Amino acid sequence: DTEVTQTPKHLVMGMTNKKSLKCEQHMGHRAMYWYKQKAKKPPELMFVYSYEKLSINESVPSRFSPECPNSSLLNLHLHALQPEDSALYLCASSLSQGGTGANVLTFGAGSRLTVL
Amino acid sequence: AQSVTQPDIHITVSEGASLELRCNYSYGATPYLFWYVQSPGQGLQLLLKYLSGDTLVQGIKGFEAEFKRSQSSFNLRKPSVHWSDAAEYFCAARSGGYQKVTFGIGTKLQVIP
Repeated sequence: DTEVTQTPKHLVMGMTNKKSLKCEQHMGHRAMYWYKQKAKKPPELMFVYSYEKLSINESVPSRFSPECPNSSLLNLHLHALQPEDSALYLCASSLSQGGTGANVLTFGAGSRLTVL
Repeated sequence: AQSVTQPDIHITVSEGASLELRCNYSYGATPYLFWYVQSPGQGLQLLLKYLSGDTLVQGIKGFEAEFKRSQSSFNLRKPSVHWSDAAEYFCAARSGGYQKVTFGIGTKLQVIP
């Protein structure tokens, strides 16, 4: 299994809703990532988990709350979002964080979020 | 500061023509270098990577890239473009020992019949 699976593919939510994005991989990777991508822009790193512990938080607003329940799963909990948070949210994984170039990112297909 | 530059925001080529997408990097030491492709609404797929050694690397879908240290470049090439190659292409780099990847702004490839 060489895939990163993200659900849902599309999500529409109001500014008062609470929702979650989910990401799963079964490649034995121990580093997992959340990226945010706005239209016509490159992906921007949000969070990195290494061995289920939060390693990097790129000063992301607290309305985004990541969670890594186990080595295969990564969640992104969403609450009180703003319309400007509408974007494609990409999950990625790698063997581990840092280290050799063999630690290449494998991306999921993304979750398209629209905040009304 | 570390950066990756893709000077061409948009490129149009005819199907069957050759393609070269440019990428320059600015790092203290030679980073690991990558090319990713993204179809509309999809995630990023790794085309190829340069870690060390041979400066000409082969990737998937008939792509190749050449690392030139003297020019701080890692240009992507394909000898004959297919309509299915129309997509956004991102050059990326990462320093050894640190996992944060720096992406270029992307080049959108349009293929015309």
